[in-house]
Amino acid sequence: DVKVTQSSRYLVKRTGEKVFLECVQDMDHENMFWYRQDPGLGLRLIYFSYDVKMKEKGDIPEGYSVSREKKERFSLILESASTNQTSMYLCASSSQGAGGYEQYFGPGTRLTVT
Amino acid sequence: GENVEQHPSTLSVQEGDSAVIKCTYSDSASNYFPWYKQELGKRPQLIIDIRSNVGEKKDQRIAVTLNKTAKHFSLHITETQPEDSAVYFCAASPPVAGNMLTFGGGTRLMVKP
Repeated sequence: DVKVTQSSRYLVKRTGEKVFLECVQDMDHENMFWYRQDPGLGLRLIYFSYDVKMKEKGDIPEGYSVSREKKERFSLILESASTNQTSMYLCASSSQGAGGYEQYFGPGTRLTVT
Repeated sequence: GENVEQHPSTLSVQEGDSAVIKCTYSDSASNYFPWYKQELGKRPQLIIDIRSNVGEKKDQRIAVTLNKTAKHFSLHITETQPEDSAVYFCAASPPVAGNMLTFGGGTRLMVKP
């Protein structure tokens, strides 16, 4: 049974703080993803990684960075949190290969920046 | 990059009726089209997917159709039940490293008992 976990379900931070969101998967998946989910906007890809130490920008990378030092762990970093980064953040992982594979999502972290 | 549009944004049906959600995509190279269901307060979960070499796929009460020429695909739910109430997302994936997905904006389906 695939398990994707995220470090926090709820997080409240102040403007300007550095924020770390962590994601861990236990299925030896090559691909990992960070999305933010806002009402009416669906799931928007922030960054993804298809291998250790590899990272690719998604559709909305501004204000975010990521780190993947180990295969099972993918971290999202907000260098200086701003109120417009208040959102639900979802991590996902998948196998890699031609043709596309199911993405398995974590439970999400609801981040509030005040 | 890929762009996916999804309609309608909200859909209300009576229990037992059918529901149809439609998506269009822009990148003709996309070859994988999954549908995810997200119940309130829960994570998105895959309910059905289709690959570009197939025109239709069914799984009990749900089916997906794909028209590659027109670049659109649809989710069909028959005999809807209250537990089908959720937000549904379509997505498209081009054949690139990382198998990234571009999601539509979502459809909130409400099934009235």
